[in-house]
Amino acid sequence: GENVEQHPSTLSVQEGDSAVIKCTYSDSASNYFPWYKQELGKRPQLIIDIRSNVGEKKDQRIAVTLNKTAKHFSLHITETQPEDSAVYFCAASGQAGTALIFGKGTTLSVSS
Amino acid sequence: EAGVAQSPRYKIIEKRQSVAFWCNPISGHATLYWYQQILGQGPKLLIQFQNNGVVDDSQLPKDRFSAERLKGVDSTLKIQPAKLEDSAVYLCASSRTGINYGYTFGSGTRLTVV
Repeated sequence: GENVEQHPSTLSVQEGDSAVIKCTYSDSASNYFPWYKQELGKRPQLIIDIRSNVGEKKDQRIAVTLNKTAKHFSLHITETQPEDSAVYFCAASGQAGTALIFGKGTTLSVSS
Repeated sequence: EAGVAQSPRYKIIEKRQSVAFWCNPISGHATLYWYQQILGQGPKLLIQFQNNGVVDDSQLPKDRFSAERLKGVDSTLKIQPAKLEDSAVYLCASSRTGINYGYTFGSGTRLTVV
């Protein structure tokens, strides 16, 4: 089955810096890669996703890149703000209808 | 649209007791998932339903966990008997069926087993 590895487990940046979180997956059939943000005590919220037919996707300050050959994808946050502080999870799933498998999460701390 | 509803929000039980969680998905979402999230970890899939059928329950500890989704709408997850290691947040999520979509998660039920 699918296995998703996520790095780093913690990331501290200064406000205004960029942050990058990386994930690798094992199942070459996986074709959908969402990212979730989870604030303390709250539910995971989808922030961006990418499908296997696309190499990069942007939404304002966040972007996701996908390298299918290497089986890894990354989340990029530019101009970080204190409100970006949260736990970020990557996930992957294969053919339509299969459940998401999540990474272990990255705790991002943005200090002002 | 209304979100995924879960209840209760919190539950504290003693080990060996039983507990049940309830989830009502977004209207029209045929697929429903239960995930277990232990503190400091990512969500781990327990069971996936499509309508009222089980798609994947390979990670469900069937000796103590059970789940059902009667009539293909709301769902219940039960633990009997509970162990200390079952302390976690139990998240329900739902999605449309057809191609992969991001899930909408409920607020979760935080279970503490003492």
